[in-house]
Amino acid sequence: ETGVTQSPTHLIKTRGQQVTLRCSSQSGHNTVSWYQQALGQGPQFIFQYYREEENGRGNFPPRFSGLQFPNYSSELNVNALELDDSALYLCASSAGTEAFFGQGTRLTVV
Amino acid sequence: AQSVTQLDSQVPVFEEAPVELRCNYSSSVSVYLFWYVQYPNQGLQLLLKYLSGSTLVKGINGFEAEFNKSQTSFHLRKPSVHISDTAEYFCAVSRKLTGGGNKLTFGTGTQLKVEL
Repeated sequence: ETGVTQSPTHLIKTRGQQVTLRCSSQSGHNTVSWYQQALGQGPQFIFQYYREEENGRGNFPPRFSGLQFPNYSSELNVNALELDDSALYLCASSAGTEAFFGQGTRLTVV
Repeated sequence: AQSVTQLDSQVPVFEEAPVELRCNYSSSVSVYLFWYVQYPNQGLQLLLKYLSGSTLVKGINGFEAEFNKSQTSFHLRKPSVHISDTAEYFCAVSRKLTGGGNKLTFGTGTQLKVEL
């Protein structure tokens, strides 16, 4: 059984650019959630996908968007990057009450 | 709305001493509660969870937590810490989404620093 894997592990982007982060869910998990963790803070829920449909969304602007594919892997897209988007982005897959997290993608916006 | 408060941002403790990391939650409905650990530059690892049943929950690495409904608390304890327990610890509550899934609401974290 493979765990949750995210790519890339680190990324540096310029303000105004667009970025795509990727996540492969744990085998058998059909639900993927994305979280943003700013430095020194707890993770904040961005949105969740279940069977390729958005299942719920946190308090993030529309320039944060996502996709889930038939194999349950997922992408997080952020347009018009701002300096405050610098954070660790965590993907979690679940098939019930327990969420399993990837190691995260560290995004730095300069 | 649900929220989670972790009362201590940093807890220093000597190796082999006991430790308690405090967590309080607010919720008007039944809750699922979790403790996660995060080592530097890594994702979150589940330590333990409370879904229902016994209020004393045992997790990995010798950690345990007690669910106290009257005090709305879910404090994490370990009777004897090791230097390798140095990490950030997050308490979280699960909330139902309108679409049927669950999302986690996290506290701000407690940095546990174990010293020799």
